[in-house]
Amino acid sequence: GQQLNQSPQSMFIQEGEDVSMNCTSSSIFNTWLWYKQDPGEGPVLLIALYKAGELTSNGRLTAQFGITRKDSFLNISASIPSDVGIYFCAGQGGAQKLVFGQGTRLTINP
Amino acid sequence: NAGVTQTPKFQVLKTGQSMTLQCAQDMNHEYMSWYRQDPGMGLRLIHYSVGAGITDQGEVPNGYNVSRSTTEDFPLRLLSAAPSQTSVYFCASRYGTLNTEAFFGQGTRLTVV
Repeated sequence: GQQLNQSPQSMFIQEGEDVSMNCTSSSIFNTWLWYKQDPGEGPVLLIALYKAGELTSNGRLTAQFGITRKDSFLNISASIPSDVGIYFCAGQGGAQKLVFGQGTRLTINP
Repeated sequence: NAGVTQTPKFQVLKTGQSMTLQCAQDMNHEYMSWYRQDPGMGLRLIHYSVGAGITDQGEVPNGYNVSRSTTEDFPLRLLSAAPSQTSVYFCASRYGTLNTEAFFGQGTRLTVV
C-alpha cells in the first residue's frame, strides 16, 4: 500500500528558532494535509494543499505541495512554546483514503 | 457543535473480552473512519465508511468489525481483544471523499491485559 516517510522523527529546538519537516512518498498524491496533535487530543488540521506546486500559509506556518506530487514540507517560523506537539503529514491518492506519516515530535526549550 | 465524539476516553480490557468503541458526529458527514495510533507508526486506517450502510476495510482491519446504520454513528467492535490491540483509537469524519479535511475525535486509549 501507499506509505509516507516523514522526517525528522523528533526535533529539539530553542524558542524562536524556525522549524522544517517534510514528507515523501513513492506514490503520487492528489492532496497533502498537515495536522498537529496535542497530548491527549486528536489531530487538528493546520494546512490543506490541493495543487502541485501550491504554497500556502497559515500564520507562522507555511506548507508546500511538491511539484512531483510525491512530497510536501511544513515550515514553522519563530517557534513559540505552544508549537510543541506531534505534526503529521497525510496524503490522499486516487483511492480517497488518507495515508499518514509517522509524525514529527517537536520539543521546544524556553 | 460537538463535532466528533468518542466514548469511552479510556478502557482496560482483559484478553478475550469484547467491547464497542462509540463514535458519533453531528456534522452530517458522509465519510467516517477509524484509525489506530501506535508509537512511531502514525495513524493507520482500520475501517471506513462512505455512507450509511456501506463499510470497507482499511490497512489493518483484522480483529475489528464496523457497521454504519445511520449517518451519525460509526461504532468499532473488538470481538475478542488481544494485547496487540492496545493502542489509541481515533474516529474521524469528513463531508465527502473529495473534501479531505477530516475532523478527529479526542481518542480512546485502550489497554488489553
